[in-house]
Amino acid sequence: SAVISQKPSRDICQRGTSLTIQCQVDSQVTMMFWYRQQPGQSLTLIATANQGSEATYESGFVIDKFPISRPNLTFSTLTVSNMSPEDSSIYLCSVEGDRGGDTQYFGPGTRLTVL
Amino acid sequence: AQSVAQPEDQVNVAEGNPLTVKCTYSVSGNPYLFWYVQYPNRGLQFLLKYITGDNLVKGSYGFEAEFNKSQTSFHLKKPSALVSDSALYFCAVRDGPYQKVTFGTGTKLQVIP
Repeated sequence: SAVISQKPSRDICQRGTSLTIQCQVDSQVTMMFWYRQQPGQSLTLIATANQGSEATYESGFVIDKFPISRPNLTFSTLTVSNMSPEDSSIYLCSVEGDRGGDTQYFGPGTRLTVL
Repeated sequence: AQSVAQPEDQVNVAEGNPLTVKCTYSVSGNPYLFWYVQYPNRGLQFLLKYITGDNLVKGSYGFEAEFNKSQTSFHLKKPSALVSDSALYFCAVRDGPYQKVTFGTGTKLQVIP
């Protein structure tokens, strides 16, 4: 399985600011995903990021709030813009495995607290 | 639409006893089923999956899961629980390769020494 790292691992931010989360994979992958896990909740898909195309956002998530970059096959960023306390969550990067798209593997997550 | 249900928010089991974490699913086609574990302040770790073949699948750390098509279930099991197994467990389903993954609400497993 791919080895996935995320930066930062955690951050505490002020309301109204923005934070960019980085996701690095040790191998080339076509599909990368960004999830949000709110406190005590399950995972919710924010968007799918494929290299060379615009990210595809799920219902309830918009590009202005969560802009995503995917400059190459091993890297992606998610920005949380104009943050509010409701954005306090764990943000997880995920990739499809190397066996025909049957398993997703996850990074360690970024724990964001917005004051 | 696909869905996953984990009926128990928390499961408590004594160390050394067998454990079961329940999961049922709904999907239109043939299901791809997964179990992930999340330790405190960590991301999700893949435990095991069922796609096709033997209904009993074995995974990491001594866990196994049984696929039951008639009951649309995919319960996670381990013969002898360890305190270190205490964590949050997520069941997930997708309706084929590269399709969206739907996660259950998670079950907190507490293994009591």
